[in-house]
Amino acid sequence: GAVVSQHPSWVICKSGTSVKIECRSLDFQATTMFWYRQFPKQSLMLMATSNEGSKATYEQGVEKDKFLINHASLTLSTLTVTSAHPEDSSFYICSASRDRGHGYTFGSGTRLTVV
Amino acid sequence: AQKVTQAQTEISVVEKEDVTLDCVYETRDTTYYLFWYKQPPSGELVFLIRRNSFDEQNEISGRYSWNFQKSTSSFNFTITASQVVDSAVYFCALSVLNDYKLSFGAGTTVTVRA
Repeated sequence: GAVVSQHPSWVICKSGTSVKIECRSLDFQATTMFWYRQFPKQSLMLMATSNEGSKATYEQGVEKDKFLINHASLTLSTLTVTSAHPEDSSFYICSASRDRGHGYTFGSGTRLTVV
Repeated sequence: AQKVTQAQTEISVVEKEDVTLDCVYETRDTTYYLFWYKQPPSGELVFLIRRNSFDEQNEISGRYSWNFQKSTSSFNFTITASQVVDSAVYFCALSVLNDYKLSFGAGTTVTVRA
């Protein structure tokens, strides 16, 4: 149980375009999902906390207008990188939690390359 | 604020050697949760263990074992008789009861050579 599916696994896009990444909890309902960003050889940096039915909470320094998060249902959160630039190239990972007792389940990640 | 320190950046061992990964955490909360995750080259995060602050029992799972010491705020992880498949980045992480966010350490890259 507790499977999180993240799609796509990798994407290459042109500078200036937008990219949407989906994160789905397949066998449980997740009121809270998290989006992380990871640069090569670095740790995971929390970008935002996504709450179903309400606005996401962004970490300091993360541009909310650039990284749009939508959590419209208890099983789906999306991250849209708008007007992508090469510096947005990174590994993006989502995670979801059913409740505190079950910990966190991570998606397989999305490798974004902006050319 | 919570903080997790993994002082070891990289560890290289020969197969069958034991390897211990250090994790030191900081929090003022009395109820917290500690985690270890493995990140192989493919990138996905593999959950290894979760421990709450009220359970100081050490745990063994196959070749993996964990040593939780509240007195030193440490949650160390040992791989016994390492194998090449253990090569990965290992992250220690912390969350507290009143904040859902997971704080990660910098990670330790383990390389096991045949």
